[in-house]
Amino acid sequence: SQQGEEDPQALSIQEGENATMNCSYKTSINNLQWYRQNSGRGLVHLILIRSNEREKHSGRLRVTLDTSKKSSSLLITASRAADTASYFCALRMNRDDKIIFGKGTRLHILP
Amino acid sequence: DTAVSQTPKYLVTQMGNDKSIKCEQNLGHDTMYWYKQDSKKFLKIMFSYNNKELIINETVPNRFSPKSPDKAHLNLHINSLELGDSAVYFCASSPAGRVSPLHFGNGTRLTVT
Repeated sequence: SQQGEEDPQALSIQEGENATMNCSYKTSINNLQWYRQNSGRGLVHLILIRSNEREKHSGRLRVTLDTSKKSSSLLITASRAADTASYFCALRMNRDDKIIFGKGTRLHILP
Repeated sequence: DTAVSQTPKYLVTQMGNDKSIKCEQNLGHDTMYWYKQDSKKFLKIMFSYNNKELIINETVPNRFSPKSPDKAHLNLHINSLELGDSAVYFCASSPAGRVSPLHFGNGTRLTVT
């Protein structure tokens, strides 16, 4: 399948801890994007990493990309209750212009 | 100001009916999309339009017909609704270029009874 596969499917951590989510894929990509979805809302773009980049930072977010292993990770440092949401990786495919989403990781931050 | 707006937010209807969902974006983006999110949160692309031209048409039943009257609007019409059409439908838009994120609306929850 073309989609990304997030791991884990669900994650519960204490507030203040770091959260790491992974995304693996099988196809050739132009870039990989991470999105957040709060309950009952649309997805919000967090960060984009191009296929020739290895690491990007944005605030408390750190994304890595290993194209040889076809995997990416999203690290959220010093988690907050407001980080509770589902997180999706999305692949911009090389062969066409589709953006394909994974099934998401449900993150729950415990107070 | 809402950047990508969808109406209605909720839609409850019976099998066999025809319904439409409207989407408008005020971001000046060239490309618009429809995605379907099922009960397991899996988000699947349905259609993509670039400046009113259909560019992506996934394996979607032909009961689903997108219409783009101008590049700021992409509506989704569904004929002969079935129980399996129940889902949340998201509209999104993006600027031209491959290194462009998607901007999503807040979704339309469609329930077919």
